Amino acid sequence: GQNIDQPTEMTATEGAIVQINCTYQTSGFNGLFWYQQHAGEAPTFLSYNVLDGLEEKGRFSSFLSRSKGYSYLLLKELQMKDSASYLCAVKDSNYQLIWGAGTKLIIKP
Amino acid sequence: DVKVTQSSRYLVKRTGEKVFLECVQDMDHENMFWYRQDPGLGLRLIYFSYDVKMKEKGDIPEGYSVSREKKERFSLILESASTNQTSMYLCASSLSGVESYGYTFGSGTRLTVV
Repeated sequence: GQNIDQPTEMTATEGAIVQINCTYQTSGFNGLFWYQQHAGEAPTFLSYNVLDGLEEKGRFSSFLSRSKGYSYLLLKELQMKDSASYLCAVKDSNYQLIWGAGTKLIIKP
Repeated sequence: DVKVTQSSRYLVKRTGEKVFLECVQDMDHENMFWYRQDPGLGLRLIYFSYDVKMKEKGDIPEGYSVSREKKERFSLILESASTNQTSMYLCASSLSGVESYGYTFGSGTRLTVV
């Protein structure tokens, strides 16, 4: 079967750095996506990785290791507005997105 | 920017009612999807469509049907609403043939069946 695992909840302090991990087992791989979802709102696109390595976009970075079936999202200089759920999703061999259950990130002052 | 518009933000319906959830996208995307999202379960795919008049079952199609008569519009139908269909419903669209393109979501419809 297809499976994407990520922690259910994480807590971090404003101004700090947090790393949200995602491991996956899917039938085929055509890229990995990270989305941010604030409570009661729709998910919004954060990043896309298809090759191994780190993709940096401002305060957010995303890393991929295809051989390990592993990705992480790194958030630096945390702000209160970063409190949200972060969803990991893999595009499988049918080009469909398979979703993790999401990681709820709580930022404390 | 791509816009995906869902007709209602909140809905309250009675058990046994027929419910229509409408979704319209304005960027000529081929692919459209309906998900439901429940706490701890993540996004679960109900139905999807890759073209007009075409539909495919997702992971949890039971109790639902869909209609795609026009490219921009994808409707989700609950034939006879039940309390276990109380959920957040999210519509999404995407472009075919572009691997780096993810999904663009509508703002969601929170449906309560009483």
